[in-house]
Amino acid sequence: KAGVTQTPRYLIKTRGQQVTLSCSPISGHRSVSWYQQTPGQGLQFLFEYFSETQRNKGNFPGRFSGRQFSNSRSEMNVSTLELGDSALYLCASSPLVSGSGGYTFGSGTRLTVV
Amino acid sequence: AQTVTQSQPEMSVQEAETVTLSCTYDTSESDYYLFWYKQPPSRQMILVIRQEAYKQQNATENRFSVNFQKAAKSFSLKISDSQLGDAAMYFCAISGTYKYIFGTGTRLKVLA
Repeated sequence: KAGVTQTPRYLIKTRGQQVTLSCSPISGHRSVSWYQQTPGQGLQFLFEYFSETQRNKGNFPGRFSGRQFSNSRSEMNVSTLELGDSALYLCASSPLVSGSGGYTFGSGTRLTVV
Repeated sequence: AQTVTQSQPEMSVQEAETVTLSCTYDTSESDYYLFWYKQPPSRQMILVIRQEAYKQQNATENRFSVNFQKAAKSFSLKISDSQLGDAAMYFCAISGTYKYIFGTGTRLKVLA
């Protein structure tokens, strides 16, 4: 059974550009969540999607957005990149909303903004 | 608001010995779940163990067990017979409304 797949693994972008990250959940999982991980702030919740609906959004500026498709695959987009957006972005999936059974995480996308 | 506190930034343990990682939390919810995740250098967060707050019995998974003290809002992880492969960052987390709240992590070093 394939795990959570995130692409790309690494990304280098320039300040001001935009970026799209992709996440394919485990087959049958309808909940997808995104987290940002940095050394200074730790793991911070970005948003959760369940059956194509955003259920919750973290305390991030509007430059961060996401969506979920009918096949449960999810994308997150960051526009007008800032140096502080450099981070590991982790996607997680769960068969249940809110991941009460425990999320399965992907290996993340390492975004570097220069 | 929910919070999770891991007061040990780093711990070391000899191979084959036992180590306990601490975690305290705060929540006003009556129904929640607690988790320990492991993050090795490969970056992938791996679920180690899960505890349902309404269950008094402590969860166990092979060499991993928890000491769940609901009244004290404490959720520590005990690793028995530590192995070199246990070396990683360990994060404690609580389930909130459509999200998890994570602690800052404890880096575990296993000494041969």
